[in-house]
Amino acid sequence: KNEVEQSPQNLTAQEGEFITINCSYSVGISALHWLQQHPGGGIVSLFMLSSGKKKHGRLIATINIQEKHSSLHITASHPRDSAVYICAVFLSCTGTASKLTFGTGTRLQVTL
Amino acid sequence: DTEVTQTPKHLVMGMTNKKSLKCEQHMGHRAMYWYKQKAKKPPELMFVYSYEKLSINESVPSRFSPECPNSSLLNLHLHALQPEDSALYLCASSQDYRTRQPQHFGDGTRLSIL
Repeated sequence: KNEVEQSPQNLTAQEGEFITINCSYSVGISALHWLQQHPGGGIVSLFMLSSGKKKHGRLIATINIQEKHSSLHITASHPRDSAVYICAVFLSCTGTASKLTFGTGTRLQVTL
Repeated sequence: DTEVTQTPKHLVMGMTNKKSLKCEQHMGHRAMYWYKQKAKKPPELMFVYSYEKLSINESVPSRFSPECPNSSLLNLHLHALQPEDSALYLCASSQDYRTRQPQHFGDGTRLSIL
């Protein structure tokens, strides 16, 4: 079992829909990254959070440390949001510093 | 446009060739990373440089040789690669490796080994 699990693995939505991507982890973490990877390959850092909630434009990320769970929400989805969304965590063990442990990603397709 | 620039974007090479991948950032970050990513898989960490010194080598074969000439540049020298080394190679940087900071990624170099 992976230390970081994402669901769903694949998601198709129509333009305008509200989208939720989930990330659960089984280890102690100090922070969590949400990343976006477009088909060309480049990765964009969307959020880094260790508690509560962050918002940027149409994107909202939440984390519940006690439940070891984070969600990424996209409001008013658009075809340009089509990408792979990756959850990655910084483990809280000493000595691992900035090493990220990645989830397997959620492939999102938004259609017109 | 990303703040981490990788060149070339695509590279095709034979198993006997020697080539280098380059990565550059001008954000003043002191930690730089190489990742390897196979299709439909998450990135796998290969190397970490912190303050221009190699901090982590994730048991990467010696046919991959990293180099950090200065705090803005990171190279990955390739020699005698195998077909299974075909992948997307991503470079990333962060402010500091010792404190957990967001990592900024480049667009990657897509490498094909013939």
